Amino acid sequence: EAGVTQSPTHLIKTRGQQATLRCSPISGHTSVYWYQQALGLGLQFLLWYDEGEERNRGNFPPRFSGRQFPNYSSELNVNALELEDSALYLCAILTYGYTFGSGTRLTVV
Amino acid sequence: AQKVTQAQTEISVVEKEDVTLDCVYETRDTTYYLFWYKQPPSGELVFLIRRNSFDEQNEISGRYSWNFQKSTSSFNFTITASQVVDSAVYFCALSEETSYDKVIFGPGTSLSVIP
Repeated sequence: EAGVTQSPTHLIKTRGQQATLRCSPISGHTSVYWYQQALGLGLQFLLWYDEGEERNRGNFPPRFSGRQFPNYSSELNVNALELEDSALYLCAILTYGYTFGSGTRLTVV
Repeated sequence: AQKVTQAQTEISVVEKEDVTLDCVYETRDTTYYLFWYKQPPSGELVFLIRRNSFDEQNEISGRYSWNFQKSTSSFNFTITASQVVDSAVYFCALSEETSYDKVIFGPGTSLSVIP
């Protein structure tokens, strides 16, 4: 069983729309971490959820938000999409190091 | 402030050559953790190793080896007898004990192994 499952694999949205990305950690993990990998910007920490609460966030505007459900799965929402939001969004759990999911590639057109 | 530098943007080697990927970090903490991750063309990031700041022993795992030197703030990664399957982007990363949840990644080094 994969440590982290993300859906969808690909997502195409129009500028101004909202995108919802999903992440399910393997059983036993209560924390999930979101990272953005945009071309030219590398991997950047987005959000950390633990026990249903947002514990930390990176340097991103408020239109990047999310939540964590009682089963510890998580959603990342990006509102008012901009072209530069096009990126690979990765969700991870933390064990000895991060275990990442396969990611959602968001394309904003 | 935390920072990770990977000066080599792209490296190409011929199969069976050895290759070393450089990583230099900056941190004010005395306790920190260093990581290497591999991102093959498929896109999924794969964890390779974690090193604690108080453990400077070098490590070898098969064809992979890591050289951690606190004196030069470096954590270099060597692949011996490279193979085509080693072609990937490799990321060095750092987290400090005071903010372990926030990992800072270097910009990555793209390695191409040519058959």
